[in-house]
Amino acid sequence: SQKIEQNSEALNIQEGKTATLTCNYTNYSPAYLQWYRQDPGRGPVFLLLIRENEKEKRKERLKVTFDTTLKQSLFHITASQPADSATYLCALRYGGATNKLIFGTGTLLAVQP
Amino acid sequence: SQTIHQWPATLVQPVGSPLSLECTVEGTSNPNLYWYRQAAGRGLQLLFYSVGIGQISSEVPQNLSASRPQDRQFILSSKKLLLSDSGFYLCAWSPSVDGYTFGSGTRLTVV
Repeated sequence: SQKIEQNSEALNIQEGKTATLTCNYTNYSPAYLQWYRQDPGRGPVFLLLIRENEKEKRKERLKVTFDTTLKQSLFHITASQPADSATYLCALRYGGATNKLIFGTGTLLAVQP
Repeated sequence: SQTIHQWPATLVQPVGSPLSLECTVEGTSNPNLYWYRQAAGRGLQLLFYSVGIGQISSEVPQNLSASRPQDRQFILSSKKLLLSDSGFYLCAWSPSVDGYTFGSGTRLTVV
């Protein structure tokens, strides 16, 4: 079955540094990979989608890479701010037109001022 | 613009009682709709999805059921709740190929 792994350890960084989060997957060849942000007690919020034929995608201070050979995606937040503190989830699309997603367990990012 | 409404926000129910959670979407038609559950410290687990009125697919066997009586309405139900049904329930919709928009979630505690 498909498996997605994100670092379960919380990531603590200093304000202004670049945060890098990792998403690894096995037994799957997704056409799309997505990243979400989730704050405590709230639903996840969609951030970025990257397709299998795209190596990199950027949106403001966010950058996502997608290596289908390594079966890995990296999510970067540059010039991090305390407001970036949240849990970040990666998700893989499966099921064709139904657009079903399988989610990783998320990585908690804490940006210290 | 599209919005998604989910209620109630929190719910405490005794074991064996029924459950009904409702989700409605505005600003779009014929959306794909999903119910996910997030247990404490766990990832999101897909419970049900629907591609149209009356079309429900279940991803995992469980004590829950779902219905889609109208195009933009998705309901999660149970006849008799179990302790293991506790969790954070999230409704979501998506265009054919794009990120999900999630509701604000329902925190269900079965006691």
